[in-house]
Amino acid sequence: DAMVIQNPRYQVTQFGKPVTLSCSQTLNHNVMYWYQQKSSQAPKLLFHYYDKDFNNEADTPDNFQSRRPNTSFCFLDIRSPGLGDAAMYLCATSRAGGMNTEAFFGQGTRLTVV
Amino acid sequence: AQTVTQSQPEMSVQEAETVTLSCTYDTSESNYYLFWYKQPPSRQMILVIRQEAYKQQNATENRFSVNFQKAAKSFSLKISDSQLGDTAMYFCAFRNAGNMLTFGGGTRLMVKP
Repeated sequence: DAMVIQNPRYQVTQFGKPVTLSCSQTLNHNVMYWYQQKSSQAPKLLFHYYDKDFNNEADTPDNFQSRRPNTSFCFLDIRSPGLGDAAMYLCATSRAGGMNTEAFFGQGTRLTVV
Repeated sequence: AQTVTQSQPEMSVQEAETVTLSCTYDTSESNYYLFWYKQPPSRQMILVIRQEAYKQQNATENRFSVNFQKAAKSFSLKISDSQLGDTAMYFCAFRNAGNMLTFGGGTRLMVKP
């Protein structure tokens, strides 16, 4: 059974048109992450939540926002997508309280900007 | 800030042979965890193996083992008896007390029949 679910799997959006990607989890994990992964590159951390505490990476563009209305759901909002934002977006979760806890990943949403 | 470096963008190995993937990292922290994740083509990332920085003993999970050299900040992954299903991108990752999980650039491994 899928534990971290990302919707949609594929998203096409127009240049400059706001888009929202969603992530849900059935693991009841405190921590949720959003990563951007471009082709054959390392996943780049955009931000993460510890419960409701939001942690933004210093180099994450303002164009990227996130919401976490409850433990199970987290959203990535891209306010004005540019061609450079085309990528795979990965959501991950983990339990807090121990660095040894593994992160569980969703299958990702591949975003295309046209 | 932590950095994780994987110096081998691509590697290949014959089925049933052994391959070692390299990873180095840089941190000023004393306690952390290191992980190897596998990302098969078009599939989600899954954990392969993990290592606590305070443990000197190298972690082992079936055919997968690590060589952790803390002083050298090196964390390599050895895959024994390689199987076709091991074909994937492999990412080395670092996790600190602040819950940040930082990945290396990845190594694409191809297992050849």
